[in-house]
Amino acid sequence: DAKTTQPNSMESNEEEPVHLPCNHSTISGTDYIHWYRQLPSQGPEYVIHGLTSNVNNRMASLAIAEDRKSSTLILHRATLRDAAVYYCILRDRTGANNLFFGTGTRLTVIP
Amino acid sequence: KAGVTQTPRYLIKTRGQQVTLSCSPISGHRSVSWYQQTPGQGLQFLFEYFSETQRNKGNFPGRFSGRQFSNSRSEMNVSTLELGDSALYLCASSLGVKETQYFGPGTRLLVL
Repeated sequence: DAKTTQPNSMESNEEEPVHLPCNHSTISGTDYIHWYRQLPSQGPEYVIHGLTSNVNNRMASLAIAEDRKSSTLILHRATLRDAAVYYCILRDRTGANNLFFGTGTRLTVIP
Repeated sequence: KAGVTQTPRYLIKTRGQQVTLSCSPISGHRSVSWYQQTPGQGLQFLFEYFSETQRNKGNFPGRFSGRQFSNSRSEMNVSTLELGDSALYLCASSLGVKETQYFGPGTRLLVL
């Protein structure tokens, strides 16, 4: 599976938007971009995924660059409950089913 | 709909013992995957089951094994426990292969 690069940590003020970047320059045409987050003492939680077009759901938005070499997870209004480690994962729909987690971005939300 | 459940949530064992962890997937989900999470190695894939068959296996020694039952519930077993097996063991289920995986809360295993 192709590799992703994320900043180790980011901070955001409460109620402000947060943009979490992810670089995936070796992405292939069959790779979907998935985001999971892991809150303290919990299992990873699915956030969103996309292939080429930007995606929105109740939790977040996913903005995908036109060349697909990078993407950004957008939390529109950060709350204290959004403090977590966010993982950007490339998942080849034609390959194995397992997820390859990197080190992720630890998001701190400041009240 | 209930989420993925894992039992027990916490477990303490001693070196050389064996342990069995259980996972009940979301109702209707037929694929179950197991992951190990440690501070040093992060989240690593152990194995995946679908319709009682192991479809994929990660790079772990043979002491780690698993199985899936006809009701899609899954168990994983670790024999001859080592100190390095102390970890959070996570189970994830999905409707089928290639579908979105949903994780349980994990079983935290401490080996003394």
